[in-house]
Amino acid sequence: EIVLTQSPATLSLSPGERATLSCRASQSVSSDLAWYQQKPGQAPRLLIYNASNRVTGIPARFSGSGSGTDFTLTISSLEPEDFAVYYCQQCSNWPRTFGQGTKVEIK
Amino acid sequence: QVQLVESGGGLVKPGGSLRLSCAASGFTFSDYYMTWIRQAPGKGLEWVSYISNGGSTIYYADSVKGRFTISRDNAENSLYLQMNSLRAEDTALYYCASGPNPYYFDYWGQGTLVTVSS
Repeated sequence: EIVLTQSPATLSLSPGERATLSCRASQSVSSDLAWYQQKPGQAPRLLIYNASNRVTGIPARFSGSGSGTDFTLTISSLEPEDFAVYYCQQCSNWPRTFGQGTKVEIK
Repeated sequence: QVQLVESGGGLVKPGGSLRLSCAASGFTFSDYYMTWIRQAPGKGLEWVSYISNGGSTIYYADSVKGRFTISRDNAENSLYLQMNSLRAEDTALYYCASGPNPYYFDYWGQGTLVTVSS
């Protein structure tokens, strides 16, 4: 099974700052990676698929990059509604796997 | 609009069984690939099981293989998860999720809570 390791576990930032979240895979997943956002009490929401494609309706401040084993989710300027937990997920192999999550909290 | 509504969760003793359901609406269910994903209290997401749009391809996480069975009824726009031999570590919020492909989870329900405790 492919293990996804996200870092950092927690990111403490202020609104307006840039957030950089990392996801590293235990083996190459090509570009078969997605990012999800989860707010307290809500189901996760798909933000990015195929490593860098934004889902329709997701603001342009969210961007994804990377391929192979190293991936990044960048939020260019944090809005109050962006403080949440973010998960990466690979779909290169079965079983599908998620990273353990990065919490973006208000500093 | 797309809606996924899970039901069937509850409190069950270790070794017991539950059947979860997920009612889908707002899209052509038979075209979509369906997945169960769970989240233990205060923890991250764990992929549980997948079924293809026609039901011919099924996968399970090792942690549930041999105990859980996924199925779907395209005529009823419904997804199911039969859970047997439940353990304390199966305690979680169980989400059904769907997508137009087998890769990503575009739509999610709000989840149904399963608690395994004596």
